[in-house]
Amino acid sequence: RKEVEQDPGPFNVPEGATVAFNCTYSNSASQSFFWYRQDCRKEPKLLMSVYSSGNEDGRFTAQLNRASQYISLLIRDSKLSDSATYLCVVNSPWSSYKLIFGSGTRLLVRP
Amino acid sequence: GAVVSQHPSWVICKSGTSVKIECRSLDFQATTMFWYRQFPKQSLMLMATSNEGSKATYEQGVEKDKFLINHASLTLSTLTVTSAHPEDSSFYICSAYLAVTSTDTQYFGPGTRLTVL
Repeated sequence: RKEVEQDPGPFNVPEGATVAFNCTYSNSASQSFFWYRQDCRKEPKLLMSVYSSGNEDGRFTAQLNRASQYISLLIRDSKLSDSATYLCVVNSPWSSYKLIFGSGTRLLVRP
Repeated sequence: GAVVSQHPSWVICKSGTSVKIECRSLDFQATTMFWYRQFPKQSLMLMATSNEGSKATYEQGVEKDKFLINHASLTLSTLTVTSAHPEDSSFYICSAYLAVTSTDTQYFGPGTRLTVL
């Protein structure tokens, strides 16, 4: 079983749609959770950290369910510029600063 | 935010040659840098953790004699792919770790695309 699992997509949605991505992680000892965005042939960039209470940043909302080892990202009012691959990332339980990346979910927002 | 640079951004080389990739933290000191590799449509895979002034720690399955890492200063780490082969063609990305608060952050370089012919 992969340490971090995501639906690879692609999710193909019209502009203005709401889209949700899910992610599960295997090790309950992980303590830090993130969503990164990666554009084609570019490095990943931190979109937002994910906190136990859930957190929101503009059109983006992240949720964490520790009991189910499940992380989600909700994007409201999708823009064309949101088209990218979204990576679910957790820290290694054995080293807090080592990150474990999911393989990513690709989002295509069409006009 | 913190800036990390990589050089070169892309390189094409012949099989059997060695390629050096530099990773620099431009506006902060990074005692720890990480090297990742990403094959097409796959996730970033951590190759090694590079600590300034000490030997790098390699992940399981990564050959330390093939991927030489040198972290000579607080702002520079280098990855040398020795005797490169076509299967080493990949996107190599470094990150620099900045421990400021409890929400520690890695800052990623723009990546180096290696193509071995």
